[in-house]
Amino acid sequence: GDSVTQMEGPVTLSEEAFLTINCTYTATGYPSLFWYVQYPGEGLQLLLKATKADDKGSNKGFEATYRKETTSFHLEKGSVQVSDSAVYFCALSDQGGSEKLVFGKGTKLTVNP
Amino acid sequence: DAGVIQSPRHEVTEMGQEVTLRCKPISGHDYLFWYRQTMMRGLELLIYFNNNVPIDDSGMPEDRFSAKMPNASFSTLKIQPSEPRDSAVYFCASSPAASTNEKLFFGSGTQLSVL
Repeated sequence: GDSVTQMEGPVTLSEEAFLTINCTYTATGYPSLFWYVQYPGEGLQLLLKATKADDKGSNKGFEATYRKETTSFHLEKGSVQVSDSAVYFCALSDQGGSEKLVFGKGTKLTVNP
Repeated sequence: DAGVIQSPRHEVTEMGQEVTLRCKPISGHDYLFWYRQTMMRGLELLIYFNNNVPIDDSGMPEDRFSAKMPNASFSTLKIQPSEPRDSAVYFCASSPAASTNEKLFFGSGTQLSVL
């Protein structure tokens, strides 16, 4: 079945450092891909998405490009802030219109001042 | 809008007791989802409803778990009897009819501890 694999955390960075969180997926067809973020004590929120190959999703300085050839959707940010400290989840939904989202296990990011 | 509202925020109970988690989705949203989050298994979809009707409950771990949605503004997830391995954070999420996965709104979750 469909699955999402994220890099193991936790990730600890200093403010203004460059961030990459790797995400690869296994799916039949052409899924839509998402990054969700979970701030401490809160539910998940959609951060960005891409619905077809070579699309780039972006929001709040974060971006991720849908790479069909490498089945990847890595999350990047050029300069992280303390307020970016959270858990980040990569997810996919299949092209068949399923309402199900398949999530990765999450990567905890801590940004120190 | 107040968003998806879950109660209680924290629940501590003893093994064998019945536990009921509650969710109020965003008004006008046709889809409601229950997820469970653990360190070992990550975020798992347990069940989802469309217009109050259960569509897919294949993620419900066993018969001890049941979920209902008696009306468009309320859903419950019940565990009876509870076991220590049920300890997790349970999230409810809702979505409007269109673009379900792009407009998924999560509640703040219920932290369940079964002793």
